Amino acid sequence: DAGVTQSPTHLIKTRGQQVTLRCSPKSGHDTVSWYQQALGQGPQFIFQYYEEEERQRGNFPDRFSGHQFPNYSSELNVNALLLGDSALYLCASSFIQGNHEQYFGPGTRLTVT
Amino acid sequence: AQSVAQPEDQVNVAEGNPLTVKCTYSVSGNPYLFWYVQYPNRGLQFLLKYITGDNLVKGSYGFEAEFNKSQTSFHLKKPSALVSDSALYFCAVSALGGYNKLIFGAGTRLAVHP
Repeated sequence: DAGVTQSPTHLIKTRGQQVTLRCSPKSGHDTVSWYQQALGQGPQFIFQYYEEEERQRGNFPDRFSGHQFPNYSSELNVNALLLGDSALYLCASSFIQGNHEQYFGPGTRLTVT
Repeated sequence: AQSVAQPEDQVNVAEGNPLTVKCTYSVSGNPYLFWYVQYPNRGLQFLLKYITGDNLVKGSYGFEAEFNKSQTSFHLKKPSALVSDSALYFCAVSALGGYNKLIFGAGTRLAVHP
């Protein structure tokens, strides 16, 4: 049973560029959440997707957007990258009727230069 | 507003000794509480959760945590530390259930010395 997978593992972008990160949830899960973990900090909630719609959103600007596909996989898009967007981006999946656990992927390390 | 505090940036303990990593929370309504562990360059691994029921929760790798409603705390404990327990530990809270957003503390680095 595959866990949560994310791609790519590492990414280097230049300020002003756009980036797309991808996540495949754990088998049987239907909800995907994205978190940003800056160096030395705890993860910060970006948004959550269920049934291909954004259910909740954290305190992040509109430059951060997402999508969920019919197979429950998800993408995180960040436009107009800033140096401050450099972080580990974590995807977590869960089952809407499940036991309240979220399973995290290994993350994508984004470096903006 | 929901919040989590982990008052110690780092906890040092000798191998074989008991360990405690502290966590306090603030949330409206009944809290759902979680502990996760993060190893270098890795994602978060689930350790244990409190949803309801017994205040002492047992989790993975011999860890346990005690929910104390009056002190709004959820401290992580282990009777005998291993060097391999050295990692970054995060406490998290969710007000409406785990499928809602998790609010994390800043993390506590646990260093277990041989």
